[in-house]
Amino acid sequence: DIQLTQSPSTLPASVGDRVTITCRASESVISWVAWYQQKPGKAPKLLIYKASTLQSGVPSRFSGSGSGTEFTLTISSLQPDDFAIYYCQHYNTYSWTFGQGTKVEIK
Amino acid sequence: QVTLKESGPVLVKPTETLTLTCAVSGFSLNTARMRVSWIRQPPGKALEWLADIFPNDEKSYISSLKSRLIISKDTSKSQVVLTLTNVDPMDTATYFCARAEMSTVSFDYWGQGTLVTVSS
Repeated sequence: DIQLTQSPSTLPASVGDRVTITCRASESVISWVAWYQQKPGKAPKLLIYKASTLQSGVPSRFSGSGSGTEFTLTISSLQPDDFAIYYCQHYNTYSWTFGQGTKVEIK
Repeated sequence: QVTLKESGPVLVKPTETLTLTCAVSGFSLNTARMRVSWIRQPPGKALEWLADIFPNDEKSYISSLKSRLIISKDTSKSQVVLTLTNVDPMDTATYFCARAEMSTVSFDYWGQGTLVTVSS
């Protein structure tokens, strides 16, 4: 099974910072990676699919890039509403995998 | 408007069987390229995909729990049911159902989740 490893696990940041989260796959996943934001007590929210396509309604400060085994989620200017946990996700041959999550917290 | 809503017991005893229902609206369970998945999240931990069911009734399961899981659907009732047998305290988690949109290969709609505690 393909494993997804996110880094860092925790990311202290301040409002206005540019934030980058990395997701590395144990083997090539082409571009089939999605990113989610989860806040406490809530369901995850889809931000990005196919590595770089912004889901409808998601602010343009979120962007995704990458292919093969390395992917990144970038928040260009962190807003107060962005402090949350972020997960990457991949689908391969009847199996879905999530990364272990990156918590963006207030510095 | 697409919605999903989970229901089921809040507390289950070890060795019992857990049955959860996901009621969907705004789309049909027969819609091509749409699946419904179950995903769980133990307290303070990461998301773990469990199972999904296709429009043609094909199913797939996480390999580590395959022997304990059954997913099924009732299209006329717009419901997807997940059964987990022989539960253990390690199965304590919030259980989500979510719609998988296969043209984007992502979960575009999620239920609110239901917390299930396994304890005697």
